[in-house]
Amino acid sequence: SQQGEEDPQALSIQEGENATMNCSYKTSINNLQWYRQNSGRGLVHLILIRSNEREKHSGRLRVTLDTSKKSSSLLITASRAADTASYFCATGFNQAGTALIFGKGTTLSVSS
Amino acid sequence: GAVVSQHPSWVICKSGTSVKIECRSLDFQATTMFWYRQFPKQSLMLMATSNEGSKATYEQGVEKDKFLINHASLTLSTLTVTSAHPEDSSFYICSARDGGPGTEAFFGQGTRLTVV
Repeated sequence: SQQGEEDPQALSIQEGENATMNCSYKTSINNLQWYRQNSGRGLVHLILIRSNEREKHSGRLRVTLDTSKKSSSLLITASRAADTASYFCATGFNQAGTALIFGKGTTLSVSS
Repeated sequence: GAVVSQHPSWVICKSGTSVKIECRSLDFQATTMFWYRQFPKQSLMLMATSNEGSKATYEQGVEKDKFLINHASLTLSTLTVTSAHPEDSSFYICSARDGGPGTEAFFGQGTRLTVV
């Protein structure tokens, strides 16, 4: 079963603008991870934020986590056309507690 | 980061035939690998957990006899789609970690399977 739900499902912006994607989840977590997927490709890990962290930065990426609201956001600043991709949050594990379970994803289109 | 290589990147096969997809961890040993399936514009759905030296653990609703998983070494897991049908056409992605749960997972580049 899927744990995370991203919104919006699709986002279209112009180069230079900021893109914000949100992820909500249902049960308690130890950490939350964001991944990126270019069309027809595998996933690339972007950032991991632990449950005791509220904010984390990596280059143009900023991730926040609000455990009280069970939500996270991914902000991409000064977007580029190359940021066009689908973005997924991974919050949960399968019953065995080993495999990541992904949300539905946000498809970001950045036009130049 | 660690590298997971998946082969082939794409494959077209006829209905009724079987297709094998390989997933290799190139610079680390993975006692556990994961196989996901992704339909167009949808998320990744976990199919099974591949365990080195033992049977795979399948998620509910995934046919074990249809999707055969073998994890013969610490660096290789294979997924065989047996007696493929057009509805098996999908994007299959493998994943592995070089640490325990909660650490970064590394993904193969995926395999696009088309059954005609």
